[in-house]
Amino acid sequence: DAKTTQPNSMESNEEEPVHLPCNHSTISGTDYIHWYRQLPSQGPEYVIHGLTSNVNNRMASLAIAEDRKSSTLILHRATLRDAAVYYCILRRGSQGNLIFGKGTKLSVKP
Amino acid sequence: DTEVTQTPKHLVMGMTNKKSLKCEQHMGHRAMYWYKQKAKKPPELMFVYSYEKLSINESVPSRFSPECPNSSLLNLHLHALQPEDSALYLCASSQHIQAINTEAFFGQGTRLTVV
Repeated sequence: DAKTTQPNSMESNEEEPVHLPCNHSTISGTDYIHWYRQLPSQGPEYVIHGLTSNVNNRMASLAIAEDRKSSTLILHRATLRDAAVYYCILRRGSQGNLIFGKGTKLSVKP
Repeated sequence: DTEVTQTPKHLVMGMTNKKSLKCEQHMGHRAMYWYKQKAKKPPELMFVYSYEKLSINESVPSRFSPECPNSSLLNLHLHALQPEDSALYLCASSQHIQAINTEAFFGQGTRLTVV
């Protein structure tokens, strides 16, 4: 399974942008970069995914480095409801399973 | 309907009991997954079903027995569990295993306590 590395925890202030980094130096050419988050006492939920180009959706933006060895999830204005564990996951074509790493626990201060 | 529904939400069982966890989706997804999550840890993959056939078993003890009776339903049968098996059990589904450019949907989980 392709490995990702994320900081254990990050803090943000409410209504400020948050940049959550992820390193994936062993990524292969066809691996998709996925982000999921898990709010307290809930199942994980999909946030965003991408292959090479930067991606935007209603929840977040995903910035992918040119060499694809790292990516950054951007929450444009953090709210208290964004406090969660954020997981960066590589999905590989041979299996496509979601294998979770340790993730980053995001705390949002009012 | 983009939901994965898991029942029951909570379950307490004795070590000699037999119980089952149920997971249902009506999105036409052909890949379904069971995960186990201990407190403050990430979800760990247990089983993967692809087109109703068991595709992956991550060396899970035989006291956990998965079943996929049809494309919408996934069960996890539990027998002779140990207290250390207490955890949140999550079900997920996706279009199919190779659809890596699509999202997976997770249920809210069953909180299992073995006494």
